[in-house]
Amino acid sequence: SQQGEEDPQALSIQEGENATMNCSYKTSINNLQWYRQNSGRGLVHLILIRSNEREKHSGRLRVTLDTSKKSSSLLITASRAADTASYFCATSRSNDYKLSFGAGTTVTVRA
Amino acid sequence: DTAVSQTPKYLVTQMGNDKSIKCEQNLGHDTMYWYKQDSKKFLKIMFSYNNKELIINETVPNRFSPKSPDKAHLNLHINSLELGDSAVYFCASSQAWLATNEQYFGPGTRLTVT
Repeated sequence: SQQGEEDPQALSIQEGENATMNCSYKTSINNLQWYRQNSGRGLVHLILIRSNEREKHSGRLRVTLDTSKKSSSLLITASRAADTASYFCATSRSNDYKLSFGAGTTVTVRA
Repeated sequence: DTAVSQTPKYLVTQMGNDKSIKCEQNLGHDTMYWYKQDSKKFLKIMFSYNNKELIINETVPNRFSPKSPDKAHLNLHINSLELGDSAVYFCASSQAWLATNEQYFGPGTRLTVT
């Protein structure tokens, strides 16, 4: 079964708006990563947050992690058309190094 | 300079055939992976090799056999293809077998079994 589940499944926003998506997981984790997948392409790593971190920033991306709620959020600020993609969270559990992916959130940024 | 490359990009074949997908990484990484992404975009790990040694072998039919001739290559051979094998297969690599390593993905191979 999938370790991470993203919410919402799909999101449509206007260019310039912020996009927020959430990821929930089931078991204790070592770290959580977010990846982006453009249509017809492979996944690209965006950001990693460790289990002892609560917030991390990278450019227009902000990731939070709440281990008590077993959830994470990814915020993309000032969205651009090029941000149109599917976004996946991936967790690495405390007792192994495999990455478990969710089904992703599909984000469409309208011009 | 493609970091992780896969061939072919598209593969259309009939049930019962045997096919292979090749993967190469030029990043000098120690660890390589095969993932399967289904039509609902669920991405599931199939195999992982670290320094040419098999370290992850998920519940995958034994019709699927990975082979790593060297650290830079990880191929996937599939025997007796079935309709349910239709999916996009991604190769990935990471610097080492560590939880904090980001993974670099290839462009994917879309396999269609008719």
